[in-house]
Amino acid sequence: EVVLTQSPDTLSLSPGERATLSCRASQSVSSNYLAWYQQKPGQAPRLLIYRTSSRATGIPDRFSGSGSGTDFTLTISRLEPEDFAVYYCQQYGSSPPVFTFGPGTKVDIK
Amino acid sequence: QVQLVESGGGVVQPGGSLRLSCAASGFTFSSYTMHWVRQAPGKGLEWLALIRSDGSNKYYADSVKGRFTISRDNSENTLYLQMNSLRAEDTAVFYCAKLVGVTTPFSYWGQGTLVTVSS
Repeated sequence: EVVLTQSPDTLSLSPGERATLSCRASQSVSSNYLAWYQQKPGQAPRLLIYRTSSRATGIPDRFSGSGSGTDFTLTISRLEPEDFAVYYCQQYGSSPPVFTFGPGTKVDIK
Repeated sequence: QVQLVESGGGVVQPGGSLRLSCAASGFTFSSYTMHWVRQAPGKGLEWLALIRSDGSNKYYADSVKGRFTISRDNSENTLYLQMNSLRAEDTAVFYCAKLVGVTTPFSYWGQGTLVTVSS
């Protein structure tokens, strides 16, 4: 079973700065089926990125994903006030299907 | 618009049972694999179970295998989670979701229902 780890646990940045979040898998993610979700307090998660680098519908282009195999990155080019939240990576597409989430990275205001 | 509305949460004693429901609307529920995901207070997301569109296959996280059962009624556009032998560590917000899939690059989530396991 794939285990996902995320780093850092917390990222303290100012609006306008660049955020780089890491997600590492214990084994290669099947066909790079790696997604990123954003969650704000009291809200359900929202899909940002699927299959490593494709933005979901309506997601601004300041969000980008990259990586392959076991190492993946979510980059927010310039943080907007609404981007301060917790971000989770998730793998999918494995067989048998297990939709593992990483532990999350909190991006908070410095 | 797409809606997933969970219900059935509440307070239950350790060892007890609870059945969660999720009413879907605004999309073709019967076409998609559906999931349950939970989030303990102040913690991260934990995937629990999935059921294929026609109910033919079900998969579970090890943490709930043998205690939780996922099911669906496509005629009623409703997803269920039967939870037995509940433990304090099952206390969480439970979300019904259509997660991103290999051929379905989008995701829908409900707002969640809180389950508290306490004596």
